[in-house]
Amino acid sequence: EIVLTQSPATLSLSPGERATLSCRASQSVSGYLAWYQQKPGQAPRLLIYDVSNRATGIPARFSGSGSGTDFTLTISSLEPEDFAVYYCQQRSNWYTFGQGTKLEIK
Amino acid sequence: EVHLVESGGGLVKPGGSLRLSCAASGFTFSSYDMNWVRQAPGKGLEWVSSISRKSNYIYYADSVRGRFTISRDNAKNSLYLQINSVRAEDTAVYYCARLVDDYLFDYWGQGTLVTVSS
Repeated sequence: EIVLTQSPATLSLSPGERATLSCRASQSVSGYLAWYQQKPGQAPRLLIYDVSNRATGIPARFSGSGSGTDFTLTISSLEPEDFAVYYCQQRSNWYTFGQGTKLEIK
Repeated sequence: EVHLVESGGGLVKPGGSLRLSCAASGFTFSSYDMNWVRQAPGKGLEWVSSISRKSNYIYYADSVRGRFTISRDNAKNSLYLQINSVRAEDTAVYYCARLVDDYLFDYWGQGTLVTVSS
């Protein structure tokens, strides 16, 4: 089973700042890497798929990058509504999620 | 607009059973693989089970195989999860989710809470 490890566990930033979230896979995921956002009491929402493609309706301030085993979700300038938990997900060996990064307001 | 609405959650004793349902609308249900994903209180997301469009391919996470059964009724636009021999560690919000491109969960329901306790 491919394990996804996200870091940091918690990221404290202010609105307007740049956020960089990391996801590391225990083995290559061949480009099938997605990111989801989850707000309290809500279902997850698909943000990024295939490493770097934004899902429908996702603002351009969200971007994804990486390859092989190391991936990054970047939010260029944080808006108040971006503070949430973010999960990465892969499919190369069934569907597994990272443990999440909580993005909180500093 | 795509809608997925889960129901059937509740309090169940260890060893008991429960059947979750997911009513789909706003899309051609029979054209999509469907999944269950769960989230224990305060924890991350765990994929549980997947069923193909015509129910000919069914997969389970190791943690639930042999106890959970996924099924669907395309005529009723509905997805189901039969949960048997429940354990405390099955306590979670259970989401149904539509699958696209072989791995993306593009639409999710609001979830239904299953609590296992004596």
